[in-house]
Amino acid sequence: KAGVTQTPRYLIKTRGQQVTLSCSPISGHRSVSWYQQTPGQGLQFLFEYFSETQRNKGNFPGRFSGRQFSNSRSEMNVSTLELGDSALYLCASSFQGDTEAFFGQGTRLTVV
Amino acid sequence: DAKTTQPNSMESNEEEPVHLPCNHSTISGTDYIHWYRQLPSQGPEYVIHGLTSNVNNRMASLAIAEDRKSSTLILHRATLRDAAVYYCILRAGGTSYGKLTFGQGTILTVHP
Repeated sequence: KAGVTQTPRYLIKTRGQQVTLSCSPISGHRSVSWYQQTPGQGLQFLFEYFSETQRNKGNFPGRFSGRQFSNSRSEMNVSTLELGDSALYLCASSFQGDTEAFFGQGTRLTVV
Repeated sequence: DAKTTQPNSMESNEEEPVHLPCNHSTISGTDYIHWYRQLPSQGPEYVIHGLTSNVNNRMASLAIAEDRKSSTLILHRATLRDAAVYYCILRAGGTSYGKLTFGQGTILTVHP
């Protein structure tokens, strides 16, 4: 079956702009989580959505937000981009959020 | 979240067994022990998880100490494809939906 698909794979944005990243989970998976990976901080949890509701949240500012649609696809939005937001953004899906997670290839965001 | 401690790096030769240790002295009774690995330029990949008993799957084995304060991921015959960063993660049962707290992990180098 198809894996987790993230689009776009690469993105370059300017400081102050906003960006929307997309994640399509594995068919049948209802939980979608988002992570930020940087060389300095490693992999950090952003938030998790289940059945269109945010169920868990990490320690990121309100500029980072997300949503989930009825088909379980999820989007993540970052407003007022800062240079420090440059990172690899990873999405993971799982059946209910408490079992093994399957990660996508990620979206590489560069803020200039 | 309870913390884990792993060596920064380990080396192995191809076709030899590899034992990757993880200490988690503050583990609680409901914490599951998960292992993920991340190959270069890819998202993390689920390896194995367990609660109290040793576990085996097609990728690896997980040996859990009787007091659960440590565990060891065993790769029975390392291949070059196993070169990756290995993360040992504690996941609270029933409360940390979708959330994986990654540490720095162990960088495994496999020599031909």
